[in-house]
Amino acid sequence: QVQLVQSGGEVKKPGASVKVSCRASGYIFTTYDINWVRQAPGQGLEWMGWISPYSHNTGYAQKVQDRVTMTTDTATSTVSMELRSLTYDDTAVYYCVRVTGDYPAPQYFQHWGQGTLVTVSS
Amino acid sequence: DIQMTQSPSSLSASVGDRVSITCRASQSMSNHLNWYQQRPGEVPKLLIYGASTLQSGVPPRFSGSGSGTDFTLTIDSLQPEDFVTYYCQQTYSMPWTFGQGTRVEMK
Repeated sequence: QVQLVQSGGEVKKPGASVKVSCRASGYIFTTYDINWVRQAPGQGLEWMGWISPYSHNTGYAQKVQDRVTMTTDTATSTVSMELRSLTYDDTAVYYCVRVTGDYPAPQYFQHWGQGTLVTVSS
Repeated sequence: DIQMTQSPSSLSASVGDRVSITCRASQSMSNHLNWYQQRPGEVPKLLIYGASTLQSGVPPRFSGSGSGTDFTLTIDSLQPEDFVTYYCQQTYSMPWTFGQGTRVEMK
């Protein structure tokens, strides 16, 4: 079965960087894009960006595009998301999500990682 | 960017009620609309994709409809476990965006 296993929670100071990893299993890693979604405490879901493990192409939300880098390691079936220059507003649970479906058919988030809490605190 | 306006932001209902949640897109997006359910402290769960296709394993009391800019999630006969939060999401064009969420509360 499809599994996305994320790295553990992190506590970072303002201005620092954090890197969250997501190891995929149960399917051919390069076949499906991985997206990242975050959720601040008590808030809604916010899409951050995507990466293709096949082409290594990426796309980022404008809000974080200057501070985020998504990478993929096909040898370990792992996707990573690094966020730099952290502020208190970056405190959130970060999810990696595997896309299902191929455009022009609808695409959707069927498989989610368990989430990684990143806390920004001085 | 496509803006998703979800309404209401919260609603109160009773077990057995029929409720509807609406999502309106700022531009036409065919049927590229998904609905998720999230319980407190849990990972979001896919309920419906492509506006109206029920994800495998989701109870048939959940249904989705709509196309273009207006979409609806309907829950027939609310069950106790349905009193949680629901999100719509468009995957028609990047950046993919979510609605603000609707919290279904017990009356």
